[in-house]
Amino acid sequence: KQEVTQIPAALSVPEGENLVLNCSFTDSAIYNLQWFRQDPGKGLTSLLLIQSSQREQTSGRLNASLDKSSGRSTLYIAASQPGDSATYLCAVRPGYSTLTFGKGTMLLVSP
Amino acid sequence: EAQVTQNPRYLITVTGKKLTVTCSQNMNHEYMSWYRQDPGLGLRQIYYSMNVEVTDKGDVPEGYKVSRKEKRNFPLILESPSPNQTSLYFCASADQGMHGADTQYFGPGTRLTVL
Repeated sequence: KQEVTQIPAALSVPEGENLVLNCSFTDSAIYNLQWFRQDPGKGLTSLLLIQSSQREQTSGRLNASLDKSSGRSTLYIAASQPGDSATYLCAVRPGYSTLTFGKGTMLLVSP
Repeated sequence: EAQVTQNPRYLITVTGKKLTVTCSQNMNHEYMSWYRQDPGLGLRQIYYSMNVEVTDKGDVPEGYKVSRKEKRNFPLILESPSPNQTSLYFCASADQGMHGADTQYFGPGTRLTVL
């Protein structure tokens, strides 16, 4: 059964730092991987989707990479801002229509 | 505005009283899904639907029912709620890409408490 692990569970950084969030999964047979952001008490917002044939995706200050063979993905956030404070979730699609989530990394960016 | 809506947003009920949480999307997505989110357990899939009249179980389907009579709606039904179904519930929808469900769009969540 697919398992998704996110490290670290929590991260606190000062504003302006570049940071990396890690996601690992146990079964490399995935269709795609998606990174989400969740604000407290709110729903999930999709940040980036990487198809299994892709190596990375970029959106603004965010860059996500995927190494399917090693079962790893990273989300790179450049020049972090207090507004980036949220929980970041990684999810892989191991089946045609299922989605398996990690437990998230809680990020706090202090001014 | 493209969105997934859920109702109600908050619900407190008692054990055994049937309830329905509605979910609707206006993006003409074929795929819809329900998740529950619990502290320490993360998000887990309850049921999903790849199209009208097509539904399938996710990881934690026990105690739940769904139906997909129309493309835009995917209600979650708890026939006899129990306290262990107290949770935060999310509905999501997605386009069907070449290899199945693509980017998923989530509703705002329904916080359910079963006493």
